[in-house]
Order: sequence, then C-alpha cells, then structure tokens
Amino acid sequence: KNQVEQSPQSLIILEGKNCTLQCNYTVSPFSNLRWYKQDTGRGPVSLTIMTFSENTKSNGRYTATLDADTKQSSLHITASQLSDSASYICVVSAETGANNLFFGTGTRLTVIP
Amino acid sequence: KAGVTQTPRYLIKTRGQQVTLSCSPISGHRSVSWYQQTPGQGLQFLFEYFSETQRNKGNFPGRFSGRQFSNSRSEMNVSTLELGDSALYLCASSPGIPKNEQYFGPGTRLTVT
Repeated sequence: KNQVEQSPQSLIILEGKNCTLQCNYTVSPFSNLRWYKQDTGRGPVSLTIMTFSENTKSNGRYTATLDADTKQSSLHITASQLSDSASYICVVSAETGANNLFFGTGTRLTVIP
Repeated sequence: KAGVTQTPRYLIKTRGQQVTLSCSPISGHRSVSWYQQTPGQGLQFLFEYFSETQRNKGNFPGRFSGRQFSNSRSEMNVSTLELGDSALYLCASSPGIPKNEQYFGPGTRLTVT
C-alpha cells in the first residue's frame, strides 16, 4: 500500500536553532519527492523536489535529503526564524497511475523567540 | 506567469445551504485537483479534472461535485452544507497527468455555521 508518514507530528524550537523533519514512504514505483511549506490558512508552497538520483537539495536555509534505498527523506532547517513557523508536508509521486500523488499529514513547526 | 487563483478566499454559509468555489489554474495547465483540509488532518483528495473530464474521485459523499470548463477553469459545489464541511478547500493545477508536480492556490476558507 502506498503511504507517506511524517514525524514528528509537531515540533517547537527556539529561534536560531536547527531542526530536522522526517518523511518515510512506501510509494512504488517512485518518481519524485517534494517538500511543501504551508503557512496557516494558505496553500502549500513547494520548497524542494527530489528525484531518485538526487540525495541532497538545498533551498536557502532548507536542505532536503533523500535515501531511495531506505525510502526516507528529511528536511533540515538551519538557523530557524519565526517565519519558519508553518506546516511542512511531504508529497511522494509514483511513476504510474492517474492518482499518483501521496501526501503525508505534515509536521507542524512552531518557532518561538 | 500568474499562479493558481481561487475565489472567494473566505466564505461563511449556514447549514443546509449550498456553495460554489472557483479555481483558475496556471495558464496552460489542464489538470485541476481539489482537496479538503481540516485542522489536524492532512490534505484529503476530493477529485481531479483533466480536459473537462473527471478522472479521479476521492471518498467524499455525492454532495461534493465539480466540473471543469473548456478553458480549464474549475468549480466545485457542495450542497446541503454540514458543520463538518468547514475547511480550507485547496485547488492545485498540473500541466498534465500523471501529476509529477502540482501548484496550489491560496485556498478558500469555508465556514459553516
């Protein structure tokens, strides 16, 4: 069964600290994995997209890693800012199938001063 | 290129009423998907349209319906509103299928009283 699981469900960190969010998936055949940031009451915005051959991709203070062998991805946020407070959603695409997107339930990150 | 637009952004309805939400995809995109997001829940897939045809439907009651026009704009309709229909409704567009990338709109916040 194709599934995407994210952990932790929620996280509170101090401003300036680093954190890592996890995404495990069982989607097959794998096409790509995307991390989205969703501010409260807004639509998700793509942060990174990674294909099978990529194991690291950065977007400013956001760095995503992918281990296709263990089917795990992480999103590392460096030097967190208050504006990083949001939900982070992992979405995995399968290569085939009309309904080929599988969503995690997200990690709610709160950055406090 | 303009992003995905959704109207209205906010809506308040009473139980039993019906509502129509609108989505304009990115120019050139032919696939439009709709999602419901409630507090604490992940994105729940409602349905997907491609070239005016519904290709996939999620596990929602028949009160939820949609359509897509020849210019790829899409509408979703919810009849006989219930309190539990209060949610953020997100529209996402893709160039085609399978959906290897999706671009989300800002969402419509529906409150049912």
